[in-house]
Amino acid sequence: RKEVEQDPGPFNVPEGATVAFNCTYSNSASQSFFWYRQDCRKEPKLLMSVYSSGNEDGRFTAQLNRASQYISLLIRDSKLSDSATYLCVVNKISNNNDMRFGAGTRLTVKP
Amino acid sequence: DAGVTQSPTHLIKTRGQQVTLRCSPISGHKSVSWYQQVLGQGPQFIFQYYEKEERGRGNFPDRFSARQFPNYSSELNVNALLLGDSALYLCASSLEAMGRNTEAFFGQGTRLTVV
Repeated sequence: RKEVEQDPGPFNVPEGATVAFNCTYSNSASQSFFWYRQDCRKEPKLLMSVYSSGNEDGRFTAQLNRASQYISLLIRDSKLSDSATYLCVVNKISNNNDMRFGAGTRLTVKP
Repeated sequence: DAGVTQSPTHLIKTRGQQVTLRCSPISGHKSVSWYQQVLGQGPQFIFQYYEKEERGRGNFPDRFSARQFPNYSSELNVNALLLGDSALYLCASSLEAMGRNTEAFFGQGTRLTVV
C-alpha cells in the first residue's frame, strides 16, 4: 500500500464548479500535512498547509481527519487558472523534513 | 530574492555514465532535500542535508549520493546510470531541518534523460 494515496483523476470541471480532492495516508505518526500545486513541467509550489482544525484560504478549504488518516481539499468557484496537478503531502518530522507525496490529481477547468 | 536554483535544467546521458546535479538553496536556508519525480508520479524523497550532514535517505540504491557544502549548496551524484533514472530531479530548500509546517521551496528541477 502506498504511503499517500490520492484520487486518480483526472477531474474535468466547468468554470465556477466546486471540486473536492481526497487523500489518505498510512503512517499514523505523520505530523504535518500540505497541498502542493504543480503546473505542467514545472516545480511543485505550496498551496496551503493543512491544520487539524481545518483552514481556508480564499476559495480553497483544507480539512484533516487524523482518526481516519484522511485529508481533503475543496476548491470553490473554479477558475481556468486552477488547472494543474494537486499533490497531497505528508511529513513525519522525525529527524528530517522527509515529505511523502501522493501521485497527484490532475484538474482541468474548462470554459 | 533568488529562489532555489538548479543546474543544469536539462541533461542527456548514456547508460553507465555518471551525472552530477547542482542546487543552490534560498539565501538563509540551511536544509536541502532532493527528490526524483518520474512522469505521472509524485516526487520521491532521495536525501535531505542540513548543516552539511545527511539527515535522511529515501529508498534509493547506493548509486545515488549527495553532499552539502559550507555555503549550503548541494550536489546530487548518480553513478552507473540506468534508463529508469530518467526523471525530473527536484531540489527543495527549507529554513530548518525539521519542525512543524517547515515549508519547502522547490527549484525548477533538472530533467535527466538516460539513453
